Amino acid sequence: GQQLNQSPQSMFIQEGEDVSMNCTSSSIFNTWLWYKQDPGEGPVLLIALYKAGELTSNGRLTAQFGITRKDSFLNISASIPSDVGIYFCAGQLFERNQFYFGTGTSLTVIP
Amino acid sequence: NAGVMQNPRHLVRRRGQEARLRCSPVKGHSHVYWYRQLPEEGLKFMVYLQKENIIDESGMPKERFSAEFPKEGPSILRIQQVVRGDSAAYFCASSRNAERGDGYTFGSGTRLTVV
Repeated sequence: GQQLNQSPQSMFIQEGEDVSMNCTSSSIFNTWLWYKQDPGEGPVLLIALYKAGELTSNGRLTAQFGITRKDSFLNISASIPSDVGIYFCAGQLFERNQFYFGTGTSLTVIP
Repeated sequence: NAGVMQNPRHLVRRRGQEARLRCSPVKGHSHVYWYRQLPEEGLKFMVYLQKENIIDESGMPKERFSAEFPKEGPSILRIQQVVRGDSAAYFCASSRNAERGDGYTFGSGTRLTVV
């Protein structure tokens, strides 16, 4: 299967700090998605990106579709305790319908 | 609007038994995907189905695992003769239009424990 490398693997930050995480692949994707997973629950879609270079925001979250189509970035500004969870990137290849998921970034926000 | 419904939420099976995991997609969604998640790991694609058809099963083990999505009723992921290594969270997702890359709506998962 496709390998999506997500970094960092985990982050421990103070409330109010900004967060950056990224996802890279050796393959070219036509869609990038970012999900958040709370303990014991399924992933919830945060942001969807469809064009190279696209920059999209959802509240305090901003994500970008890399120009090379092989990477994507997610930023969270002014983190709050409810941002705690695992964040996954997911990419869709041109010739396939399913999405491939990254290994996840575990975020801990210290009040 | 009901989201993706998975049941049971938790399932305990002894080695050698069968596990049946059910998934009812969002109303109007005809594409269903199954993923497996091991503790502390990401989601691994298993199988993609579209009403009555298996479109891609490249991520599903060739033996003991099978999936179906009948014309009526939920999608079923079936694991025969379970082993301890099958213990994981199994997530189902659905989408209306696979080609556009709208993204999936996930269920809350079934956590399978094999003892």
